[in-house]
Amino acid sequence: AQSVTQPDIHITVSEGASLELRCNYSYGATPYLFWYVQSPGQGLQLLLKYFSGDTLVQGIKGFEAEFKRSQSSFNLRKPSVHWSDAAEYFCAVATYNNNDMRFGAGTRLTVKP
Amino acid sequence: KAGVTQTPRYLIKTRGQQVTLSCSPISGHRSVSWYQQTPGQGLQFLFEYFSETQRNKGNFPGRFSGRQFSNSRSEMNVSTLELGDSALYLCASSREVGELFFGEGSRLTVL
Repeated sequence: AQSVTQPDIHITVSEGASLELRCNYSYGATPYLFWYVQSPGQGLQLLLKYFSGDTLVQGIKGFEAEFKRSQSSFNLRKPSVHWSDAAEYFCAVATYNNNDMRFGAGTRLTVKP
Repeated sequence: KAGVTQTPRYLIKTRGQQVTLSCSPISGHRSVSWYQQTPGQGLQFLFEYFSETQRNKGNFPGRFSGRQFSNSRSEMNVSTLELGDSALYLCASSREVGELFFGEGSRLTVL
């Protein structure tokens, strides 16, 4: 069965600094991979997705993620963090034909002024 | 374009009662999925409906059920509520696999 691990529960970065959030997945075939963001009291918003092709994918709000099959990873990056990026970030994996998505436990991002 | 609408946003029930939550998907989306979010267990998949048929089901007891109507609106029901059912219940609609659009959720408190 597919699963997702986000090793970092909480990360704090200074505004303007770069960001990398880690995600490792377990799945037998090529997975569908996603990053979602959740602000307090809100639902989840899709940041980006990887299905196939180019392993570096661009998303909304200046985020990007790189799929590395050899490391079973799909890390999320942003070159310069803004205070409004403070939120919880979830990595997720799905199979090709259904929406039974498995989410990681989430990484809470705090942005220092 | 209107987003996913969930009602009610907040509700309080007592143990043993039942609850029905409603979800209106984005127009044109035929798939509706339900997730439970708790601090301890995180986000867990409940079930997915597509064209009024349950397409997938997560590992939850039979007290959790759902349905989808011909206009793609969906409801989920939890019977015989337990304290552990307190959670944020999120509905998501989609046209494609994985491109889920979430509502703001229904926060259920069981006393």
